[in-house]
Amino acid sequence: DQQVKQNSPSLSVQEGRISILNCDYTNSMFDYFLWYKKYPAEGPTFLISISSIKDKNEDGRFTVFLNKSAKHLSLHIVPSQPGDSAVYFCAARYGQNFVFGPGTRLSVLP
Amino acid sequence: DTGVSQDPRHKITKRGQNVTFRCDPISEHNRLYWYRQTLGQGPEFLTYFQNEAQLEKSRLLSDRFSAERPKGSFSTLEIQRTEQGDSAMYLCASRLIRVNYGYTFGSGTRLTVV
Repeated sequence: DQQVKQNSPSLSVQEGRISILNCDYTNSMFDYFLWYKKYPAEGPTFLISISSIKDKNEDGRFTVFLNKSAKHLSLHIVPSQPGDSAVYFCAARYGQNFVFGPGTRLSVLP
Repeated sequence: DTGVSQDPRHKITKRGQNVTFRCDPISEHNRLYWYRQTLGQGPEFLTYFQNEAQLEKSRLLSDRFSAERPKGSFSTLEIQRTEQGDSAMYLCASRLIRVNYGYTFGSGTRLTVV
C-alpha cells in the first residue's frame, strides 16, 4: 500500500520552461512534506519542505504547493535548467519517519 | 566533516555470506537512519537511532538484519546469510532532532548478491 505516490515516472521539459512535479498521498496524519533531488551515484539531497499548516513555500526557483483537501502537493521549478535533471522524490512525515514516493525522473532539455 | 559518509560504496557478495556496512553521520546529528532503495522505488525506512538507542525498526528488517550505534556516533548495518532479494542501495541519513528539515543522506552502499 503506497502511501505516497508519484504517478509520473518521468518528465521532460525544455530549458527555461516550468517543470511541475506532482505527488499524492493517502494518510491525512502526515504533517510535513519534503522534496528531495537525487543525482546518479549520490544520496538524495534535501530541496524544499512545507508544513501541513501552509499551502505554499518558495525558495528561489523552487516552489512547493500543498492542497490538503486533495492530499496533493506539487513542486514547481521556474525556470528549469539542465542541471535540474535528476530524480525527484516526494516524502511525507508521520511520527519520526518519512515515507518516500517512488520518484519522478526530470529531464531538462537544452 | 561535511556530510554523511558510507563505506563501502559498492559490495558484491555471494549468497549466504554476511556483509557489514558502516555509516558516519554528521557529528552533531543525534538521529541516524537506515533506508533501503531498490530500482524504481523511493527509499524505504529500515530503522533509526537516537544517540545510541535504536528506537524503531521496520517490519522490513528481518532477523537477518542487525544495526548498531554503539557510542552514538557511527553505525553499522549487518546482513547475515545474504539473499538475492537483499540486493539494493542501503542509504544512511542523519539529522538534528530539533531542526525541522529533512535528513542529510549519505551516498549509499550498493549491495549486489550473486
